[in-house]
Amino acid sequence: GDSVTQMEGPVTLSEEAFLTINCTYTATGYPSLFWYVQYPGEGLQLLLKATKADDKGSNKGFEATYRKETTSFHLEKGSVQVSDSAVYFCALSFNQAGTALIFGKGTTLSVSS
Amino acid sequence: GAGVSQTPSNKVTEKGKYVELRCDPISGHTALYWYRQSLGQGPEFLIYFQGTGAADDSGLPNDRFFAVRPEGSVSTLKIQRTERGDSAVYLCASSLVPSGSNEQFFGPGTRLTVL
Repeated sequence: GDSVTQMEGPVTLSEEAFLTINCTYTATGYPSLFWYVQYPGEGLQLLLKATKADDKGSNKGFEATYRKETTSFHLEKGSVQVSDSAVYFCALSFNQAGTALIFGKGTTLSVSS
Repeated sequence: GAGVSQTPSNKVTEKGKYVELRCDPISGHTALYWYRQSLGQGPEFLIYFQGTGAADDSGLPNDRFFAVRPEGSVSTLKIQRTERGDSAVYLCASSLVPSGSNEQFFGPGTRLTVL
């Protein structure tokens, strides 16, 4: 079945370090891909998305490129901040009415100053 | 503007009891989703409403789980004869239109603990 696999955490970085969180997917069709973030004590919120191959989603300094050939959507940021500490979820959804999101297990990022 | 709200934020109940969890979506959003998030896992789909009708309930784990959205706005997730394995955070999300490529807006969740 369709699924998302993301790297296990926790990921611990110092401020200004480079971040990569790997995400790969298995899907029977051509899904849209998402990164959601959950800050401590808050609900899930969309960080970025890409709806077709080679699209790059970006927001708040984070980027991810939809790679169909490697079925990947890795999240990157050039210089992390303490405020980026959160749980990050990679997800996919198909472009049909009402299809739900399929999430990975989440990766906890902890950034220290 | 108001986001998705869920009540209660926490619910502790005893095994075998009945519980109701409420979701108030963003005004005007026609699509509403329920997910369940167990500890250390990503959210898992339970049910999707388009308007008043449950368009897809394939994620409900068994017939103890039921959800309604009688007026196409507020939704209630109902769990009968609760079991300890039902303990999780129950998330509600809404979307302006139901296309899979559109953003779903999530509520803060209800943490259910079954003793």
